[in-house]
Amino acid sequence: DTTVKQNPRYKLARVGKPVNLICSQTMNHDTMYWYQKKPNQAPKLLLFYYDKILNREADTFEKFQSSRPNNSFCSLYIGSAGLEYSAMYLCASSGQGRQDTQYFGPGTRLLVL
Amino acid sequence: SQLAEENLWALSVHEGESVTVNCSYKTSITALQWYRQKSGEGPAQLILIRSNEREKRNGRLRATLDTSSQSSSLSITATRCEDTAVYFCAPGIDYAQGLTFGLGTRVSVFP
Repeated sequence: DTTVKQNPRYKLARVGKPVNLICSQTMNHDTMYWYQKKPNQAPKLLLFYYDKILNREADTFEKFQSSRPNNSFCSLYIGSAGLEYSAMYLCASSGQGRQDTQYFGPGTRLLVL
Repeated sequence: SQLAEENLWALSVHEGESVTVNCSYKTSITALQWYRQKSGEGPAQLILIRSNEREKRNGRLRATLDTSSQSSSLSITATRCEDTAVYFCAPGIDYAQGLTFGLGTRVSVFP
């Protein structure tokens, strides 16, 4: 099973409120990624966990938090949503010895109003 | 600035025809991947071609890589309606650090 699951699929949030997105995989992959995709833009890497080590991109360092309580789950947390956070959020994972191939979930579409 | 970019926003073809998506990139790489994203789904890997390869096939898909011109192409033969998707290239050096995608080319296949 190469399925990556994301919850919820759609999320409506108010400006200034927190948002928590969830991703899970059962492939025992050691690395999990979060990407942001806006219309007519390329998917952009936000952060990734290699095992328990979190790596965040420099330009989004303060905007997104993440946790990985166990190998299967990874969350993406926005402390105070702004309009600019409206986007599709894609989770992906890759496994030992096959870091080249990432398996993506269907994404969570976040709309901030 | 984008590390990679597909050369066209959108392409339309009829079923059975062939279509080619092109990608150019800006740095030295060890490999380049092609991903496809269908509506309502996440991206899915189609082909990974390494810098020492000139061509790679996967069924109806054929990818080429020209490291001298820093460009790649993905061709789909005998297209089907289900090939309708956005196609992204992702050139890279260390994919464990994450993927860097181009903007994508939307391919529409009509009956």
